[in-house]
Amino acid sequence: GAGVSQTPSNKVTEKGKYVELRCDPISGHTALYWYRQSLGQGPEFLIYFQGTGAADDSGLPNDRFFAVRPEGSVSTLKIQRTERGDSAVYLCASSFPEGQLYEQYFGPGTRLTVT
Amino acid sequence: GQQVMQIPQYQHVQEGEDFTTYCNSSTTLSNIQWYKQRPGGHPVFLIQLVKSGEVKKQKRLTFQFGEAKKNSSLHITATQTTDVGTYFCAGPKAAGNKLTFGGGTRVLVKP
Repeated sequence: GAGVSQTPSNKVTEKGKYVELRCDPISGHTALYWYRQSLGQGPEFLIYFQGTGAADDSGLPNDRFFAVRPEGSVSTLKIQRTERGDSAVYLCASSFPEGQLYEQYFGPGTRLTVT
Repeated sequence: GQQVMQIPQYQHVQEGEDFTTYCNSSTTLSNIQWYKQRPGGHPVFLIQLVKSGEVKKQKRLTFQFGEAKKNSSLHITATQTTDVGTYFCAGPKAAGNKLTFGGGTRVLVKP
């Protein structure tokens, strides 16, 4: 079956601009996660959705970052007034709905470059 | 907050040799997961360990969860070029499903 998909695969934007990154999780997965991965580091948690609601957004670095999942499926990560330090690969993952004992399926990521 | 450390950061291995990479958490984990990320790719789930002292094998890969559930190891025997990539361990935070990833061990195989 289809895996997690993310669009765009690459995004280059100028400092100060607004960007939206999209994630399509695996069908039937109600849990959705956003991570950010900088070069040479492990994925860093940003936000976790269970259904439509953000169950945990403690990883969002500041109020320029926001994510939505209005219908409990597709999610959009929004970054306002982008800064060069936001450059990274943004990974989305999904998993089965309950508990901590489920593997996470990652998408291919969106490489964001802020110039 | 919770920290997950992995050593070594880099592992250069001669093809055919064995090696072990280690993962240590600052807090007790309910479970630990291992992921592999090929160069230019995304993390792919390998295995999950739940029980204290648990050992699981996948072909040439052996995973172990420590008795105190604060550390884990991955041992690869007879390394092949297909083993190239970064191996991450990850544990859930105290509440919720979010994973804290280690910094990874980058494995390079010399043919």
